[in-house]
Amino acid sequence: GAGVSQSPSNKVTEKGKDVELRCDPISGHTALYWYRQRLGQGLEFLIYFQGNSAPDKSGLPSDRFSAERTGESVSTLTIQRTQQEDSAVYLCASSSTLLGNQPQHFGDGTRLSIL
Amino acid sequence: AQTVTQSQPEMSVQEAETVTLSCTYDTSESDYYLFWYKQPPSRQMILVIRQEAYKQQNATENRFSVNFQKAAKSFSLKISDSQLGDAAMYFCAYRYTEQGGSEKLVFGKGTKLTVNP
Repeated sequence: GAGVSQSPSNKVTEKGKDVELRCDPISGHTALYWYRQRLGQGLEFLIYFQGNSAPDKSGLPSDRFSAERTGESVSTLTIQRTQQEDSAVYLCASSSTLLGNQPQHFGDGTRLSIL
Repeated sequence: AQTVTQSQPEMSVQEAETVTLSCTYDTSESDYYLFWYKQPPSRQMILVIRQEAYKQQNATENRFSVNFQKAAKSFSLKISDSQLGDAAMYFCAYRYTEQGGSEKLVFGKGTKLTVNP
């Protein structure tokens, strides 16, 4: 497809389990971002990948959160030992350039519910 | 620290009328970009309009326009001839590049817009 694709669309899991969320950016986009959106809130930055540079992990809330990206393709966000506070929509975005006015294009997000 | 404030949690407008959503931001940067995103219940964030800080002219996209006041650090969105499909959460966002090259997008908490028929 032409847009950012995220899977799964929805994920329900028990507290303490690990989850893995996937993001397929738009082809050719070098920058990729993960955000968390809690119910009724704005977006919180989690992590940023730009090409082969070291990712900016400054937004990850705890060491239970990690993310990987292979080159300029798919990224996975992993949450270990999930807690109820992790329940949120996780949004992925990609953009084509580091500088300039190119906007971020967002996926539909993964709604994560921790029981 | 860069912050974005949307002081109106909810707004409503009659169909075909005009509504203005407020946004202010705090920054010490001189070069940055501002965006308005729309998020309908489908969750996807859709870019509505963008503004480069170095441009004095206010951006316009069809029925959407902004009032960018750089000195006041204000970036409001005006929606003219409101349509039922405009109903959504609207997020103001500020983008800057950190010294290390990391690009950051800071969002406000959003304004929920209701369009009444």
